[in-house]
Amino acid sequence: GAVVSQHPSRVICKSGTSVKIECRSLDFQATTMFWYRQFPKQSLMLMATSNEGSKATYEQGVEKDKFLINHASLTLSTLTVTSAHPEDSSFYICSATGTGRSDEQFFGPGTRLTVL
Amino acid sequence: RKEVEQDPGPFNVPEGATVAFNCTYSNSASQSFFWYRQDCRKEPKLLMSVYSSGNEDGRFTAQLNRASQYISLLIRDSKLSDSATYLCVVNQDSWGKFQFGAGTQVVVTP
Repeated sequence: GAVVSQHPSRVICKSGTSVKIECRSLDFQATTMFWYRQFPKQSLMLMATSNEGSKATYEQGVEKDKFLINHASLTLSTLTVTSAHPEDSSFYICSATGTGRSDEQFFGPGTRLTVL
Repeated sequence: RKEVEQDPGPFNVPEGATVAFNCTYSNSASQSFFWYRQDCRKEPKLLMSVYSSGNEDGRFTAQLNRASQYISLLIRDSKLSDSATYLCVVNQDSWGKFQFGAGTQVVVTP
């Protein structure tokens, strides 16, 4: 199956700093990438959908100025959590769909963010 | 009402037994349905797609009931390695926007 990587896998940062998370599709071109957040014992919540070369579409309640998404190429999307606070601590997971296969998503391994 | 609902469990299952659980969805226009498996602190991994006619993959059987708007997953001959959280996923549009259930935890015991 298709491989999606995320970096870093784990990050601890101080409150007020910004953190960038990368999501890469390694062996296919990802026309669409999705960013999810998952709190302990809860479901994955879609934060935003990004298509290469266009602005991301954010879900209701997700602040676009706080969670900056850039999808600069067909293999890379980045999520930057700006001015992180402890309540942003969560498991962030990206997924990607390939050309002509919007019904199957391939998930990255996730990034565990802890904000002190 | 949540768009995708699951019994959180846990379902405690003796090794070798059968376990089954459902997932209900609210949007009758939903197009595609999946079961994903998620291990603790890991990303979801696709277990199987769910087809209208029902489908089987080894010890796993998935069914879709559009009239009652639910899907089901049955695991036969449970293995210890089947212990995980099983996520019901519904694709509501052609752009691949998934709605996730909160998951059903299955614990297989020796």
